[in-house]
Amino acid sequence: DIQMTQSPSSLSASVGDRVTITCRASQGISNYLAWYQQKPGKVPKLLIYAASTLQSGVPSRFSGSGSGTDFTLTISSLQPEDVATYYCQKYNSAPFTFGPGTKVDIK
Amino acid sequence: QVQLQESGPGLVKPSQTLSLTCTVSGGSISSGDYYWSWIRQPPGKGLEWIGYIYYSGSTYYNPSLKSRVTISVDTSKNQFSLKLSSVTAADTAVYYCARSIGGMDVWGQGTTVTVSS
Repeated sequence: DIQMTQSPSSLSASVGDRVTITCRASQGISNYLAWYQQKPGKVPKLLIYAASTLQSGVPSRFSGSGSGTDFTLTISSLQPEDVATYYCQKYNSAPFTFGPGTKVDIK
Repeated sequence: QVQLQESGPGLVKPSQTLSLTCTVSGGSISSGDYYWSWIRQPPGKGLEWIGYIYYSGSTYYNPSLKSRVTISVDTSKNQFSLKLSSVTAADTAVYYCARSIGGMDVWGQGTTVTVSS
């Protein structure tokens, strides 16, 4: 099965900073990748699908890129409400494995 | 708009079977466009995909849980269900149901299941 990794596992940045999270698949998955945001104590929320398509209602400061094995989630200007754990997930074929998560907080 | 709601016992004894149901409202589980998944999250840990079912009844399970998992669908009730057998403390988690068409765009609120005697 394809394994998903994320880096870093956690990061601390200032409000307004540009933040980049990386997700890597152990084999190519084309663009069948989703990103989720999970705030503490809350339900995960779909941010991006098809590697770069923003889900309806998601702020435009979030963007995704990549294809094949390497993907990135970028927050162009970090806001206090972006404090959360971010997960990538592959869905080219089952199992729909999640990455281990990246915890983002404010410096 | 489509909403999902998990239901089932919050406490299960070790070695017993965990049973949860996800009720879909605001849309039909038989629409054919979506996969219906179960995901869990142990306390303080990440998300683990358990498996999915299609309205036709076809399923796919996480290989790490495959021997203990059964997911079924009841289209007449607009529900799908999860059974996890021979549970241990390691199965203690928040269990979510979700709709997926690629990404999982609609999630239930989650239900906490504790495995303890």
